[in-house]
Amino acid sequence: DIQMTQSPSTLSASVGDRVTITCRASQTISSWLAWYQQKPGKAPKLLIYKASSLESGVPSRFSGSGSGTEFTLTISNLQPDDFATYYCQQYNSYSWTFGQGTKVEIK
Amino acid sequence: EVQLVESGGNLVQPGGSLRLSCAASGFTFSSYSMSWVRQAPGKGLEWVSYISSSGSTIHYADSVKGRFTISRDKAKNSLYLQMNSLRAEDTAVYYCASGYSYIDYWGQGTLVTVSS
Repeated sequence: DIQMTQSPSTLSASVGDRVTITCRASQTISSWLAWYQQKPGKAPKLLIYKASSLESGVPSRFSGSGSGTEFTLTISNLQPDDFATYYCQQYNSYSWTFGQGTKVEIK
Repeated sequence: EVQLVESGGNLVQPGGSLRLSCAASGFTFSSYSMSWVRQAPGKGLEWVSYISSSGSTIHYADSVKGRFTISRDKAKNSLYLQMNSLRAEDTAVYYCASGYSYIDYWGQGTLVTVSS
């Protein structure tokens, strides 16, 4: 199985900050990567697919980049609603695998 | 509006069985691949199983292979997960999810607790 490793595990930031989360794949996955946001007690929500394509309705302050084995999710101008846990997911091959998550906390 | 509503979660003893259901509405269910994804308490997301729109292609995570069976009923717009030989480590919220590759819609989840 392809292993996905996110860093950091926890990130403390303030409203207005620019934050970056990294996701590394154990082998190349081309651009077959998605990012999700999850708030406590809720289902995840799709933010980005195919590494850099923004899902409809998602604010433009979210952006994704990368290909191969290294990917980033950037949130520019962090808003109060953005404090949550973020997961990457590879869909290059079955079985799909997720990163372990990055919790974005209020500083 | 797309809706995925799971049901069937419960407390079950180790070795027991449970069948989860997911009722889909707001989209053409028969055209969409579907999956089950689970999340153990306080932990991350784990993909469990996938079924193609026609039902002809099915995949399972190694952790559930041979114990879980995914199926779908296009007449009822429903997805199912039959879970047998349940273990404590199967305790999780189980999400019904749609999408061929990435997941574009998620249900609200149903809690399965395996404990004596």
